[in-house]
Amino acid sequence: ETGVTQSPTHLIKTRGQQVTLRCSSQSGHNTVSWYQQALGQGPQFIFQYYREEENGRGNFPPRFSGLQFPNYSSELNVNALELDDSALYLCASSGGLFNNSPLHFGNGTRLTVT
Amino acid sequence: LAKTTQPISMDSYEGQEVNITCSHNNIATNDYITWYQQFPSQGPRFIIQGYKTKVTNEVASLFIPADRKSSTLSLPRVSLSDTAVYYCLVVSSGSARQLTFGSGTQLTVLP
Repeated sequence: ETGVTQSPTHLIKTRGQQVTLRCSSQSGHNTVSWYQQALGQGPQFIFQYYREEENGRGNFPPRFSGLQFPNYSSELNVNALELDDSALYLCASSGGLFNNSPLHFGNGTRLTVT
Repeated sequence: LAKTTQPISMDSYEGQEVNITCSHNNIATNDYITWYQQFPSQGPRFIIQGYKTKVTNEVASLFIPADRKSSTLSLPRVSLSDTAVYYCLVVSSGSARQLTFGSGTQLTVLP
């Protein structure tokens, strides 16, 4: 069973640029969610995708957008990067919306905005 | 979404049992309680989940009283490698599987 994998592991961008982060969900999982974790804080929910449709969104501006592909992998896109976007970005997958199975997290992408 | 409150930090010694208590006063009827563990620069890892009474697995036990307004994660005989941040979450069984993480409890296991 392959776990959740994220790429790249580290990334440095300049303020105003755009970034795309990628996530491969665990085998058999059709639901993917994204979280932002600033240093010293708990992860904050960005949004969730189920069968290629956004299904739930946290308190993040529209410049945070995403995609889910037919193979259930996902991308997180952030436009017009700001310094405060520097954080660990975590992807998590699960087997569906209505089951109680826990989320499986990847090890994240560390984004630094300078 | 139910808000959780847990201690910011705890220290323990190797071999001791550690209990971390979390309060969630406004938990809803269909919500369940989940605990995650996180090491630095890694994603959170699921530890245990429960709805009421007691749940035990190979790494931890979870005690939930009848009113479900709190829960206690019990880690038996901790080792140095258990040093991590532990998050208590109340999760809705509804369609929006949004997890609301607090600041967690930093557990430090001392030799």
